[in-house]
Amino acid sequence: GNSVTQMEGPVTLSEEAFLTINCTYTATGYPSLFWYVQYPGEGLQLLLKATKADDKGSNKGFEATYRKETTSFHLEKGSVQVSDSAVYFCALSRRGNYGQNFVFGPGTRLSVLP
Amino acid sequence: ETGVTQSPTHLIKTRGQQVTLRCSSQSGHNTVSWYQQALGQGPQFIFQYYREEENGRGNFPPRFSGLQFPNYSSELNVNALELDDSALYLCASSLAGLSTDTQYFGPGTRLTVL
Repeated sequence: GNSVTQMEGPVTLSEEAFLTINCTYTATGYPSLFWYVQYPGEGLQLLLKATKADDKGSNKGFEATYRKETTSFHLEKGSVQVSDSAVYFCALSRRGNYGQNFVFGPGTRLSVLP
Repeated sequence: ETGVTQSPTHLIKTRGQQVTLRCSSQSGHNTVSWYQQALGQGPQFIFQYYREEENGRGNFPPRFSGLQFPNYSSELNVNALELDDSALYLCASSLAGLSTDTQYFGPGTRLTVL
């Protein structure tokens, strides 16, 4: 079946450090891939997405590239800010024989210290 | 533009009871998905409704059922509540029931089963 594996947190970084959160997936065919973020006290919201192989999603300085050969969608940011402190979820969606299916990873909590 | 709303915010039930949770989708969206999120975990996909028809279902038993109405609002019903059903229930709306769609999440309903 479909699955998402995401690096365990929490991750603690100093402001302006480089961020990588690893995400790999298992799915047949070509799923769409997403990063959702949950800021403290807020609901889940889309950070970025990629819907086909080699696509790069980007938003707010974050980037992730859909790598079909390594089944990965790692999240990166060159210089994190305190305001980036949140929980980050990698997710996939795919339409199979029985309809749509969505799978989220367990989330990675990021804390950025000033 | 009104975002996704859910009611009630919190709910306490006892084992064996039945519960109904409600969701209003974002304006212009015809698709609603429901998720269960246990504490410290990622959302687990329950099912999706597209134009009043079920459009996909996750690995949840039949006592989890749903409806979508002509105005695209939705209900999640859970029968014969179990202690493990205690979780945050999230509703998300999207534009057209496609795997590539961005999902817009509501704030959730916190269900506690005693």
